[in-house]
Amino acid sequence: DAMVIQNPRYQVTQFGKPVTLSCSQTLNHNVMYWYQQKSSQAPKLLFHYYDKDFNNEADTPDNFQSRRPNTSFCFLDIRSPGLGDAAMYLCATSRAGRGGRETQYFGPGTRLLVL
Amino acid sequence: GEDVEQSLFLSVREGDSSVINCTYTDSSSTYLYWYKQEPGAGLQLLTYIFSNMDMKQDQRLTVLLNKKDKHLSLRIADTQTGDSAIYFCAEADNQGGKLIFGQGTELSVKP
Repeated sequence: DAMVIQNPRYQVTQFGKPVTLSCSQTLNHNVMYWYQQKSSQAPKLLFHYYDKDFNNEADTPDNFQSRRPNTSFCFLDIRSPGLGDAAMYLCATSRAGRGGRETQYFGPGTRLLVL
Repeated sequence: GEDVEQSLFLSVREGDSSVINCTYTDSSSTYLYWYKQEPGAGLQLLTYIFSNMDMKQDQRLTVLLNKKDKHLSLRIADTQTGDSAIYFCAEADNQGGKLIFGQGTELSVKP
């Protein structure tokens, strides 16, 4: 089945220790998104890739970076995690064509705990 | 700016219908979505409606859109305990496709 996969599902890191979260997709979608969702809140878009073009949201901290080496994979790097970065991180994908962006499909998420 | 609002909680009895309401502000939105999130899981797309439609039905789910009042609702018929989850309404930004989410409605289904 075509899907969005996130690894790991749970990640524990230490305060200030860099961490990388992974997302892969078999949908062959050209747009990939990273969202941060804190407890009892709505998902908040951090950034997205439209093909190879990186689009950062204005209020995303510099501590958060992303890489997309190919169509299938996208990584979220947190350079120096703070306690406030503990959250669920959701990856989503969509197809973009002449009609605009299409429906976003989400992965199961990675829950990050910062000690 | 764009804003999406939902009530935070809804409690129903098993077998009853549930109606989850949402209001939005961006009249240029092309698509409006309902996602379901179970505890500790990602967002599951339930259904969506195009802005030129008034209603969409998909098995137990009925979506109603009132464009004049910018009001969207999701009706779940014959609600089951497995429907207990948080339901997010979202509108798609007309320019970049960015999703603007509501706060989520926690649906609790009691046996």
